[in-house]
Amino acid sequence: NAGVMQNPRHLVRRRGQEARLRCSPMKGHSHVYWYRQLPEEGLKFMVYLQKENIIDESGMPKERFSAEFPKEGPSILRIQQVVRGDSAAYFCASSPGQVTDTQYFGPGTRLTVL
Amino acid sequence: DAKTTQPPSMDCAEGRAANLPCNHSTISGNEYVYWYRQIHSQGPQYIIHGLKNNETNEMASLIITEDRKSSTLILPHATLRDTAVYYCIVRVDGANSKLTFGKGITLSVRP
Repeated sequence: NAGVMQNPRHLVRRRGQEARLRCSPMKGHSHVYWYRQLPEEGLKFMVYLQKENIIDESGMPKERFSAEFPKEGPSILRIQQVVRGDSAAYFCASSPGQVTDTQYFGPGTRLTVL
Repeated sequence: DAKTTQPPSMDCAEGRAANLPCNHSTISGNEYVYWYRQIHSQGPQYIIHGLKNNETNEMASLIITEDRKSSTLILPHATLRDTAVYYCIVRVDGANSKLTFGKGITLSVRP
């Protein structure tokens, strides 16, 4: 049973470009969470999605960031017009969506903005 | 803000038990205690969780005090590969809620 998959593992973008990060949840999991870890800082929640719905986006920056989890395919975290401050590790976690369900994390995507 | 308090670091000898403490004095009745770890820059790894009873799995044991205001994660036979940042997190029950990470405790296992 494959774990949470994220791609790409490393992404380099120049300022002003767009970054698209993908997350495929574990088989049978319908809930996805995105977290960001800035250099030398802790993990911070960004957004929580179920299929075709954003449930909690309280941690998402107000501009340039968006997330989706379509009916088919992976969840996408999109960052438009990237800036150097967006350089970070972005982790996706998935859960089955049950009572006291546990989140399992992917290996992360390391975004570097030049 | 994280609702848990952990010492910043500790170390232990390889092969010995590592006992990682966590204070969560404001924990609510419907909140579980979760432990994750992050090895170097990898994705956080789930270890164990519990509500009020002690729990054990293939990775570790979790001891929660009777008043639930603190807990201890026990790695029975630490290896060098257990060197990591360990996070103690309290999380509401059944709300599919986000995890709020604090700074964690850095465990260094020495040969």
